[in-house]
Amino acid sequence: DAKTTQPNSMESNEEEPVHLPCNHSTISGTDYIHWYRQLPSQGPEYVIHGLTSNVNNRMASLAIAEDRKSSTLILHRATLRDAAVYYCILRDNKKGGSEKLVFGKGTKLTVNP
Amino acid sequence: EPEVTQTPSHQVTQMGQEVILRCVPISNHLYFYWYRQILGQKVEFLVSFYNNEISEKSEIFDDQFSVERPDGSNFTLKIRSTKLEDSAMYFCASSLAGSSYNEQFFGPGTRLTVL
Repeated sequence: DAKTTQPNSMESNEEEPVHLPCNHSTISGTDYIHWYRQLPSQGPEYVIHGLTSNVNNRMASLAIAEDRKSSTLILHRATLRDAAVYYCILRDNKKGGSEKLVFGKGTKLTVNP
Repeated sequence: EPEVTQTPSHQVTQMGQEVILRCVPISNHLYFYWYRQILGQKVEFLVSFYNNEISEKSEIFDDQFSVERPDGSNFTLKIRSTKLEDSAMYFCASSLAGSSYNEQFFGPGTRLTVL
């Protein structure tokens, strides 16, 4: 599985934007970039995914570098409820590829009131 | 909004006993998964299940583990003879399809404590 690198922790203030980086320098052309998060004492939760273009949804935005070797998850206005561990995960789209999610240690986001 | 449910929320058992963890995936989903998370560690994949058979399993998923979809709605994980190191949160997940652009929906987890 292609490897991702994320900072262990980040801190933000409530109602400010948060940019969570992820490096994936060995990404292949068929890898989708997924982000999940895990709130305290809960199961992981899907946030967003993309392939090449930037993506927006109701939860967040995903900015993907032109060479696809890095991406940034953007929370536009952090709330206390966004305090969680955020995981950047590559998923291979080639036929017969694995369906599993491979979680790393992720980035623990602390949101200060 | 549809969600994955898991029961029980907490299971305590003695070492060597059998446990069955239960999950009800989202009703129109076709792919089912079990993951586990030992306290303070990463979420680890155990097994994926599609069309009534295992499609992929990890090294953790040895002969002590089995999965079943007994009645078209429940999806179960059985641990035949529990060990202390099986203590963990076990998460069930489901997805509409198995492709890499489909999101997996996770349940709230079952905390298994083996004494």
